[in-house]
Amino acid sequence: DGGITQSPKYLFRKEGQNVTLSCEQNLNHDAMYWYRQDPGQGLRLIYYSQIVNDFQKGDIAEGYSVSREKKESFPLTVTSAQKNPTAFYLCASSKQKETQYFGPGTRLLVL
Amino acid sequence: SQQGEEDPQALSIQEGENATMNCSYKTSINNLQWYRQNSGRGLVHLILIRSNEREKHSGRLRVTLDTSKKSSSLLITASRAADTASYFCATDAWGAQKLVFGQGTRLTINP
Repeated sequence: DGGITQSPKYLFRKEGQNVTLSCEQNLNHDAMYWYRQDPGQGLRLIYYSQIVNDFQKGDIAEGYSVSREKKESFPLTVTSAQKNPTAFYLCASSKQKETQYFGPGTRLLVL
Repeated sequence: SQQGEEDPQALSIQEGENATMNCSYKTSINNLQWYRQNSGRGLVHLILIRSNEREKHSGRLRVTLDTSKKSSSLLITASRAADTASYFCATDAWGAQKLVFGQGTRLTINP
């Protein structure tokens, strides 16, 4: 099956801890994206990557980091510098700016 | 600032009625897309309309685009309980490298 997967579904972070959210796609898409969604709100872009080994900051990149070593994978690390990390995180992929395909999301909670 | 703004923020109608949601944007676009999000899930692409198109249909969905007014509308006809979700517009602006999502309209279909 082709698609985009995210893991884990739920993630708990302790204060001062870095955590990494996984995003994998087998759609052969060049572009991948990370969004943050707060309750009742729209999507805010954290980072995006249009090609392997290259990525750009989105609107709210502070406190986050990414890597794009493989076309299929775009992991997001929420660092200890992100003081309000509790949110729903969505990963998406696309053939550049055409239709984006979204994963099921990861809900990050702070202990 | 957000490129796309949906109106209304929330809409509640009876099953069988039609639902209309609107999206306004600020700059010239290549295309405009509509997505649906069920509670706690990822977004699902519904329809894409290009800047040189005025109307597009997909099943019970009808999308219009008025580039002179910089606005789009999504009409869902003969609504069903399963249409209950949040609906987002996303714009692909000229010269931009990414889509920009609006805040969404929360649609509730009452049985």
